[in-house]
Amino acid sequence: AQKVTQAQTEISVVEKEDVTLDCVYETRDTTYYLFWYKQPPSGELVFLIRRNSFDEQNEISGRYSWNFQKSTSSFNFTITASQVVDSAVYFCALSGRNSGYSTLTFGKGTMLLVSP
Amino acid sequence: DTGVSQDPRHKITKRGQNVTFRCDPISEHNRLYWYRQTLGQGPEFLTYFQNEAQLEKSRLLSDRFSAERPKGSFSTLEIQRTEQGDSAMYLCASSSGTVTTASTDTQYFGPGTRLTVL
Repeated sequence: AQKVTQAQTEISVVEKEDVTLDCVYETRDTTYYLFWYKQPPSGELVFLIRRNSFDEQNEISGRYSWNFQKSTSSFNFTITASQVVDSAVYFCALSGRNSGYSTLTFGKGTMLLVSP
Repeated sequence: DTGVSQDPRHKITKRGQNVTFRCDPISEHNRLYWYRQTLGQGPEFLTYFQNEAQLEKSRLLSDRFSAERPKGSFSTLEIQRTEQGDSAMYLCASSSGTVTTASTDTQYFGPGTRLTVL
């Protein structure tokens, strides 16, 4: 069975602060993929990143960065210099080889509120 | 390239009525997925299609739910005899993956259909 835990239900920050969203996962698959999606108030899930289990290099994309640590089964997401437009619910998700990579298992999400 | 579209965006119905939702995937995407999201939760997988074939169904998909993807293009999700517990956001996603390329697949989501059962 697969499980994704996002322990932070809601985080509030002031604009320009850095913020880290935590994600811890459980899987028996040896090959798997991790994802982050953003869900703004409009409701549409927006794809942010996919990372495979063999690639532990950190990734940076603009103000976004991701830290994948297989030893702790974590895939954390950091937003640097947060902006009001970053306010959304962020979901971490997992797909594994045993399910043919066909299904995503999501965490419950972290609501990020960035105030001016 | 247009994204995934869903219709309607909102649906209010009375308990016991049947409802049908439509999803149009990104053009030429082989795979189409349905998820359900209740308030405060992450999306939960319901079912997916590889072209017109329905390859997997979750235990969440009771007998009252049926999904189709005729001709491997758009898909419909029908709920018969709706119950208040069916109130949720129904999300559709599509991807370009095949059985052999599934490991590099990324699912792109539509805006969802919010169902309210009174």
